[in-house]
Amino acid sequence: DAGVIQSPRHEVTEMGQEVTLRCKPISGHNSLFWYRQTMMRGLELLIYFNNNVPIDDSGMPEDRFSAKMPNASFSTLKIQPSEPRDSAVYFCASSFFYNEQFFGPGTRLTVL
Amino acid sequence: AQSVTQLDSQVPVFEEAPVELRCNYSSSVSVYLFWYVQYPNQGLQLLLKYLSGSTLVKGINGFEAEFNKSQTSFHLRKPSVHISDTAEYFCAVSDGYNQGGKLIFGQGTELSVKP
Repeated sequence: DAGVIQSPRHEVTEMGQEVTLRCKPISGHNSLFWYRQTMMRGLELLIYFNNNVPIDDSGMPEDRFSAKMPNASFSTLKIQPSEPRDSAVYFCASSFFYNEQFFGPGTRLTVL
Repeated sequence: AQSVTQLDSQVPVFEEAPVELRCNYSSSVSVYLFWYVQYPNQGLQLLLKYLSGSTLVKGINGFEAEFNKSQTSFHLRKPSVHISDTAEYFCAVSDGYNQGGKLIFGQGTELSVKP
């Protein structure tokens, strides 16, 4: 049984470029969460979806960040334009209703 | 609003010694409680959870935690640690239905097991 799948695993880009992170949740799960982890700020919830609908995006740092979930098996987190301070590990997690969240392996983003 | 406080940012311990990682939470409603572990360069993995029932919860890798409602605590324990337990540990709380499964995480505790 495949867990949460994230791609790419590593991304190196230059400031000003558009970055798209992808996530495939566990089949049958109906909630999806995007997190960012840095040494300075720890683990931050950016946005989460229930049944493909965004519920709370109060953690999205700026308008440069956007997230979509066009169907139950796919979500994207986009940063446009990217900045060096966006460098972090981005995690996607999914859950079934209000049970525990299952995390993906993360995408390590480096913005030069 | 809910919050989680992990009282120790770093816990060094020798191999085969017991360990306790402390977690306190604040919430005005019934809560679900979780402990996650993160090994270097990996995602978070569930260690154990408390949803209801027995206040002593057993998880993977020999860890256990006790829910104490009066002290609003959910401390994680292991009687004898191994080098392989070296990792970062996160406590998290959710009120389930009202937040649609949203978790509030603590800042993490770095467990370092020395030989």
